[in-house]
Amino acid sequence: KAGVTQTPRYLIKTRGQQVTLSCSPISGHRSVSWYQQTPGQGLQFLFEYFSETQRNKGNFPGRFSGRQFSNSRSEMNVSTLELGDSALYLCASSFATLGLSTGELFFGEGSRLTVL
Amino acid sequence: EDQVTQSPEALRLQEGESSSLNCSYTVSGLRGLFWYRQDPGKGPEFLFTLYSAGEEKEKERLKATLTKKESFLHITAPKPEDSATYLCAVTDSWGKLQFGAGTQVVVTP
Repeated sequence: KAGVTQTPRYLIKTRGQQVTLSCSPISGHRSVSWYQQTPGQGLQFLFEYFSETQRNKGNFPGRFSGRQFSNSRSEMNVSTLELGDSALYLCASSFATLGLSTGELFFGEGSRLTVL
Repeated sequence: EDQVTQSPEALRLQEGESSSLNCSYTVSGLRGLFWYRQDPGKGPEFLFTLYSAGEEKEKERLKATLTKKESFLHITAPKPEDSATYLCAVTDSWGKLQFGAGTQVVVTP
């Protein structure tokens, strides 16, 4: 079956701009979670959506937001970009919500954001 | 505050040289501990879930074990294709997933 698809794969923005990233989960999966990966901080949890509701949120400022649509596709948005937002943004899907999950998350290949 | 610490940061092994990676954690209400493998330019790939102390899981040359405070990932007779970054993560009863910084493993022929 098709894996998790993230678009775009690469993008370059300038400070102050905003960006929207998209994630299409595996068919039948209702949970989509987002992560930021940087060399210095590693993989950090941003938020999780399950059946169009945000279930959990990590310790990121309000500039980071997301949503999930009825077909389980999810988008995350970062407004007023800062240099420190340069990172690989990964999404993962699973059938169950993270709190009940077996941990078997299926990750996409990520969207690499560079902020200049 | 929940913490996940992995050691060593990097490990260089000769092919066939077995070793262990460590993941120590402090989390209230542990739901599960997970091991992932990440290749360069790719998203993490799920390996194991461990739920309770004493539990063990195996997959090919990898074996994961769990105690009340830490988990070990043993790599037995590694091959070059085992080269990757191995990530440990925990989830608590609130459903927040926290990853360690990872151990980068390089296996040379």
